[in-house]
Amino acid sequence: DTAVSQTPKYLVTQMGNDKSIKCEQNLGHDTMYWYKQDSKKFLKIMFSYNNKELIINETVPNRFSPKSPDKAHLNLHINSLELGDSAVYFCASSQGVDSPLHFGNGTRLTVT
Amino acid sequence: RKEVEQDPGPFNVPEGATVAFNCTYSNSASQSFFWYRQDCRKEPKLLMSVYSSGNEDGRFTAQLNRASQYISLLIRDSKLSDSATYLCVVNNRDSNYQLIWGAGTKLIIKP
Repeated sequence: DTAVSQTPKYLVTQMGNDKSIKCEQNLGHDTMYWYKQDSKKFLKIMFSYNNKELIINETVPNRFSPKSPDKAHLNLHINSLELGDSAVYFCASSQGVDSPLHFGNGTRLTVT
Repeated sequence: RKEVEQDPGPFNVPEGATVAFNCTYSNSASQSFFWYRQDCRKEPKLLMSVYSSGNEDGRFTAQLNRASQYISLLIRDSKLSDSATYLCVVNNRDSNYQLIWGAGTKLIIKP
């Protein structure tokens, strides 16, 4: 059973398009996250939700909009994609904000 | 000073050797510490939490030095499969307990 699953695994799209990445966790965790890992391998938090409520919103362009329909799901929608958005996006979940994270296997986004 | 700093490496180590690396953190109020490993093109995976008294899991030993504000990871009898990037993670009580990630230390075990 996959604990944190995100789809798609690969996403290749053109500049200006709108795309979504979906994430689901079956661990019963209260907190979910989106992280971005760029070509230099730095892992940066983008958003965090606790029980469907946004608790962390780092300096991310408004083009990125997370949506949490329930505490097991946290989707990421990106409008007007830019070349600089190319990266690996990881979804993660944890029992609480101070607990270890469990990651999905990542979505490799390439914007051409 | 960065909140969490690691030597990026790479550390090139022969198989069977012992290797250790540190991670320094700037916030003295930090309370939770973790080591993750990340294989190439994979997601980070929790290796071990770091407790105040230090803890061991097989060939891996993690220690916390609060006075000098660093955590360490020691790998004994290194295996080829230990080749990965090791990420240090520290919580930040001043920022809603957000976890702060180091940039990682790359370890390459050579036969």
